[in-house]
Amino acid sequence: EAQVTQNPRYLITVTGKKLTVTCSQNMNHEYMSWYRQDPGLGLRQIYYSMNVEVTDKGDVPEGYKVSRKEKRNFPLILESPSPNQTSLYFCASRREGFYGYTFGSGTRLTVV
Amino acid sequence: KQEVTQIPAALSVPEGENLVLNCSFTDSAIYNLQWFRQDPGKGLTSLLLIQSSQREQTSGRLNASLDKSSGRSTLYIAASQPGDSATYLCAVSISGGYNKLIFGAGTRLAVHP
Repeated sequence: EAQVTQNPRYLITVTGKKLTVTCSQNMNHEYMSWYRQDPGLGLRQIYYSMNVEVTDKGDVPEGYKVSRKEKRNFPLILESPSPNQTSLYFCASRREGFYGYTFGSGTRLTVV
Repeated sequence: KQEVTQIPAALSVPEGENLVLNCSFTDSAIYNLQWFRQDPGKGLTSLLLIQSSQREQTSGRLNASLDKSSGRSTLYIAASQPGDSATYLCAVSISGGYNKLIFGAGTRLAVHP
């Protein structure tokens, strides 16, 4: 089944403890993105990647890092999480060209 | 700056009604528009994708139209069912930055038996 897989689905952590949310797609898509969803603010892009080793900032990149060493994987790294990063996170991917996005099931992160 | 607005914010209807959800965007320079469905606490499921050169797309009981010049899209749901209850989001893929989707705030739909 073609899909975007995120792990973990739920995570509670403490301020300052480094964490990684993984994202993997099995569709050989070139483009991958991370979004966060917050009440009243909607979905906002954090980072995106156009292909292996090519990444760029979205609208809200502060406090996050990404890497794209393999085409299928696009992990989101929080080096020193803070409570304002408590959110619902989505990974998405699409083929190069004018194609639609496929989203993962989301990761609900709580930072206390 | 592109802004996407969805009206209404919430809708509650009896089963069987035909529905229209509205989406408007401020900048007509888009590559495409995508409608998603989001169930509570779940991910986004893509429903329909309309390219900027297209006028409409259909999938089962769903039909989405696009009028790029006026900055509007509508999602039509025929013969609504309780299983259609969810939040519906529209998003535009913008020119000059088409690696990004700009989302509306969504329409929360409840279909009751």
